[in-house]
Amino acid sequence: TQLLEQSPQFLSIQEGENLTVYCNSSSVFSSLQWYRQEPGEGPVLLVTVVTGGEVKKLKRLTFQFGDARKDSSLHITAAQPGDTGLYLCAGRNQGGKLIFGQGTELSVKP
Amino acid sequence: DVKVTQSSRYLVKRTGEKVFLECVQDMDHENMFWYRQDPGLGLRLIYFSYDVKMKEKGDIPEGYSVSREKKERFSLILESASTNQTSMYLCASSPPAPLTEAFFGQGTRLTVV
Repeated sequence: TQLLEQSPQFLSIQEGENLTVYCNSSSVFSSLQWYRQEPGEGPVLLVTVVTGGEVKKLKRLTFQFGDARKDSSLHITAAQPGDTGLYLCAGRNQGGKLIFGQGTELSVKP
Repeated sequence: DVKVTQSSRYLVKRTGEKVFLECVQDMDHENMFWYRQDPGLGLRLIYFSYDVKMKEKGDIPEGYSVSREKKERFSLILESASTNQTSMYLCASSPPAPLTEAFFGQGTRLTVV
């Protein structure tokens, strides 16, 4: 079974601080995705990373895919209360199943 | 607007009852998924369907079965509900290509008493 381990599990920071969330696996994934979930809603896709070493930016969010395609990180610059939510990494295995990490619960206090 | 619709937001069932959770998507997607979400455990895959009448077990299929008679509908069945199946259940759909986005329903909060 391919597993995705996320860290930290919980993060509580003040508005304006920077943070990084990590997603690690012992297996190689052809791509990794990051989703964000708000209370009472289903997860929504933020980004897909495909190439080892790839970096993608989405406003204040920077996503990186490790060179060996076994890990990824999400960095948020100058966090805002609107960034509060559950962040999930996900990867597809060869058979098409979409596997998720445990998630990182982010709370940004004003 | 793309849509994945789950039939109920909240359900309360008794131990031993047979429970049906329904999911419908309007995007003509081949792939459909059922997950359960529990605090600290993320989304765990229960079952996956890649076509009509085709299904594969996920990581935690015990106590569950699924039905996909039509492309747009994927049902999760709890044959005999137990209290340890109290959870948030999320349905998703996606095209078959590996880089594509999965679209989720809003979830069903099931409580088994």
